[in-house]
Amino acid sequence: NAGVTQTPKFQVLKTGQSMTLQCAQDMNHNSMYWYRQDPGMGLRLIYYSASEGTTDKGEVPNGYNVSRLNKREFSLRLESAAPSQTSVYFCASSFPTGGLNTEAFFGQGTRLTVV
Amino acid sequence: AQSVTQLGSHVSVSEGALVLLRCNYSSSVPPYLFWYVQYPNQGLQLLLKYTSAATLVKGINGFEAEFKKSETSFHLTKPSAHMSDAAEYFCAVSDSGGSQGNLIFGKGTKLSVKP
Repeated sequence: NAGVTQTPKFQVLKTGQSMTLQCAQDMNHNSMYWYRQDPGMGLRLIYYSASEGTTDKGEVPNGYNVSRLNKREFSLRLESAAPSQTSVYFCASSFPTGGLNTEAFFGQGTRLTVV
Repeated sequence: AQSVTQLGSHVSVSEGALVLLRCNYSSSVPPYLFWYVQYPNQGLQLLLKYTSAATLVKGINGFEAEFKKSETSFHLTKPSAHMSDAAEYFCAVSDSGGSQGNLIFGKGTKLSVKP
């Protein structure tokens, strides 16, 4: 029962470096999401993918790109990291049909520090 | 647009005391409402969810929440706090009630439990 798996768990980047955060789910969910969590801000949606082959911007997309590689995998890329992107990043997945199936399942998070 | 407001960023109770965490929402359509819990250095775990089936919703670990449309509230309660309840709690609303399942989170309430 892996659920939602994120890699890496921790990462330190220098300003201007690039990296990709990986996320995979084994629950056959159609929808996947990337959130960032900052102290006192709750979780804010960066990008989401309602189904394989589609992606849409969330509340805070600037500085990020995403790829829905297949139904299982949804990656988040920082092309040129900035200190403002220091955060904890969470991937989540859910069924898209709403109601009882709207529950999102979260990964354990990636703690990213940009120096 | 939908939004969630959690009153009190930090709540402290004694072990055995009532836990009350407040959440008010704003939504132009019937909402789907959720409470998630986050233990230190972990991802989010669903506590309970309201999907219009019943106004009083029971969740895991003895928590429950009551949906009050007239007050646009979905407060989380537990009759008797336990040390293991110390965590951060997030209220969330689904922004579409269906097709996307995107969650809009409150800023969180950190619960401390004193012995």
